[in-house]
Amino acid sequence: DIQMTQSPSSLSASVGDRVTISCRASQTITTYLNWYQQKPGKAPNLLIYGASTLQTGVPSRFSGTGSATDFTLTISSLQPEDVATYFCQQGSSTPLSFGGGTKVEIK
Amino acid sequence: EVQLLESGGGLVQPGGSLRLSCTASGFTFSRDAMSWVRQAPGKGLEWVSAIRSIGGSAFYADSVRGRFTISGDNSRNTVYLQMNSLRAEDTAIYYCAPCQVWGTGWCNYFDPWGQGTLVTVSS
Repeated sequence: DIQMTQSPSSLSASVGDRVTISCRASQTITTYLNWYQQKPGKAPNLLIYGASTLQTGVPSRFSGTGSATDFTLTISSLQPEDVATYFCQQGSSTPLSFGGGTKVEIK
Repeated sequence: EVQLLESGGGLVQPGGSLRLSCTASGFTFSRDAMSWVRQAPGKGLEWVSAIRSIGGSAFYADSVRGRFTISGDNSRNTVYLQMNSLRAEDTAIYYCAPCQVWGTGWCNYFDPWGQGTLVTVSS
C-alpha cells in the first residue's frame, strides 16, 4: 500500500504570504497526485488533479508541482478565504490513500 | 450540475448494521465508478470502498473488507454501502464521490463530493 505523508501538519501565515505544503508518497506515483481543500464543516473540494492541473473554477493563486514521490501545493498569495485544511491523495493504485492534512490559518 | 445526496446515517450500537445510500443527479451514473470516503471526527480522510460501473467490481480498504459491501443501482442512480458488524472506530462522516479518470486507471481522483452522512457507533 502507498503511504502519503504531508508536512507541515499546520501553519499560520499572513494575508498575502506565499504558502507551500509538501506531500510525499512512499513509492513512485508518477503524477497521480491530487489536492483537496476542506473548509470547516464542509465536504472536501477538488483543487488540483494530475499533480498540476487546476480544477475549473479554482483561483489561479493555487498551483501544484512535483512527480514521482515529492509534490508541492503552493498558494501564491494567501487570502482569508483560504483558511482550510488541505489534503493530498494518490490516485495511482488501490487502496487509494490520503495524506494526513495541513491546516492553514491566518496569522 | 452534478449533485450527490447521501442518507442512511445515524446512531447504531456496536455490532449493528446500517445501509448508506448516495443518489446522484447530473451525470451518467452507469458510466462512472463511485467511491465512499470517510472522515472520523477531527481526523483525516480515509478511502473506504469503490465500485466500477463496468462489471461491477468492488474494492475495499482492509479496515472494512468482509464487513462492508458496496453496490449500485443504475436505474435509481444510487450507490449503497451496507455496513455490518460496526465498530466504534467506524464512527465518521461518510462521503460519496464519483471516481474521475486522468490518464490510465479507473479511479484517479474524486469530484464532486456529497455533503456526507454521519454514522455514530456507540452503546
